[in-house]
Amino acid sequence: DIVMTQSPDSLAVSLGERATINCKSSRSVSSNNRSYLSWYQQKPGQSPKLLINWASTRESGVPDRFNGSGSGTDFTLTISSLQAEDVAVYFCQQYYSLWTFGQGTKVEI
Amino acid sequence: QVQLQESGPGLVRPSETLSLTCSVSGGSISGHYWNWIRQPPGQGLEWIGYIYDNGRTYYNPSLKSPVTISVDTSKNEFSLKLSSVTAADTAVYYCARTETTTSRSPFDSWGQGTLVTVSS
Repeated sequence: DIVMTQSPDSLAVSLGERATINCKSSRSVSSNNRSYLSWYQQKPGQSPKLLINWASTRESGVPDRFNGSGSGTDFTLTISSLQAEDVAVYFCQQYYSLWTFGQGTKVEI
Repeated sequence: QVQLQESGPGLVRPSETLSLTCSVSGGSISGHYWNWIRQPPGQGLEWIGYIYDNGRTYYNPSLKSPVTISVDTSKNEFSLKLSSVTAADTAVYYCARTETTTSRSPFDSWGQGTLVTVSS
C-alpha cells in the first residue's frame, strides 16, 4: 500500500491569507512526467468534491485560488486567498496504485 | 451529469451482513470503475473496492470483513456486501466513479453517502 501523510492536521488562516497543505506519499506516485495525485474538498455533511487531479490540474469550475504542485513523493495544495466558503477538510489521494487517501487537513478561519 | 445515490439499512447488527446499493443515473454504468469508500465518524476516507462493468472486482486487502461488490447493468446499479460486521464498520459509506475509464483516475462523481451503524 502507498501511505499518504498530510500536514498539518489542522490550520487556522485569516480571511484573504494563504493556506498551505502538504501531502507526502510513502513512495513515488509520479511516472512519465505525470503525477497520480488528486485533492478533494469535503464540507461538513457533504461528500468529497474533486478539486485537482494530476497534482496541478484544476477541475472545471474550481476557483483559481486553489493551486496544486509537486511531484514524486511531495505535494502541496495552496489556497492563495482564503474565503469563508473554503472552510472544509482537504484530502489528498494517490491513484498510482489503487487509491489511498491522506488523513485530511481541517482548514478553519 | 452522472448522479449516484446510495441506499440500504442504516442499522446492522454485529456479525450480520451490511448491504448497500448505489443507483446510477444520468449516464451508463458501462465503462469507468465503480467504487465503494467509507468514512468512520470524524475520520478519514478508506477505499473498500471497485467493480468494472464486466464484473471484474478488486478489494482493499487491508479490510478485515469479507467484501463482495456486484453489478447489475440492466438496472444501472452496483452493490456492496460486507459480512460479519463489527462496530469498527460503522461509517458513512459512499459510492463513487472514476473520472476516466482507466483505473488510474481519481473519483469525480460521488453519492451523498449513507451512514451505517453497527450495533445490537
